[in-house]
Amino acid sequence: ILNVEQSPQSLHVQEGDSTNFTCSFPSSNFYALHWYRWETAKSPEALFVMTLNGDEKKKGRISATLNTKEGYSYLYIKGSQPEDSATYLCAFNSGAGSYQLTFGKGTKLSVIP
Amino acid sequence: EAQVTQNPRYLITVTGKKLTVTCSQNMNHEYMSWYRQDPGLGLRQIYYSMNVEVTDKGDVPEGYKVSRKEKRNFPLILESPSPNQTSLYFCASSPATGFTEAFFGQGTRLTVV
Repeated sequence: ILNVEQSPQSLHVQEGDSTNFTCSFPSSNFYALHWYRWETAKSPEALFVMTLNGDEKKKGRISATLNTKEGYSYLYIKGSQPEDSATYLCAFNSGAGSYQLTFGKGTKLSVIP
Repeated sequence: EAQVTQNPRYLITVTGKKLTVTCSQNMNHEYMSWYRQDPGLGLRQIYYSMNVEVTDKGDVPEGYKVSRKEKRNFPLILESPSPNQTSLYFCASSPATGFTEAFFGQGTRLTVV
């Protein structure tokens, strides 16, 4: 079983603060790295799928970077809003053969108004 | 509307009583999978299917069965449920590329007493 680590496990930020969290994954046999946003009582929704070392992706106030050589990805949220409160999951895909995603345990973000 | 539909959303059952959780997708995706989510643990893959009649074990397959007779449907079967299968279950589908996002169903909250 592959090891995908996310940190921190949880954090609380004030509305308007910017924040970031980390996903670490094996640096060998990299195929793709996914980020999902999971709100309570809903289903996870994709934010980004990243495949190339050095990739940077952005969706509104949320952006992500990828370093496949050292095995980490950062997710940034600029000017956090209460509606950003959710658990953010990363998932690692190690090979083109099976498309199997290995998920981290997630970072639970709470934005305090 | 593109979606993954799971049923039921909530289920309470007794130990040993066979049950099936259905999953259907309308996006013509080749790849479908089942995950379980438990407190303190990430999404863990139970089974996956890369196409009709092609299924394989994920990380936690014990106590579960699946079938893929049609492309759109991927039911999860618990032949003899036990309390340790009490969990939140998600079905997901994606095109068979590995670097496209997964679409998740709404989740099924299962309690086995």
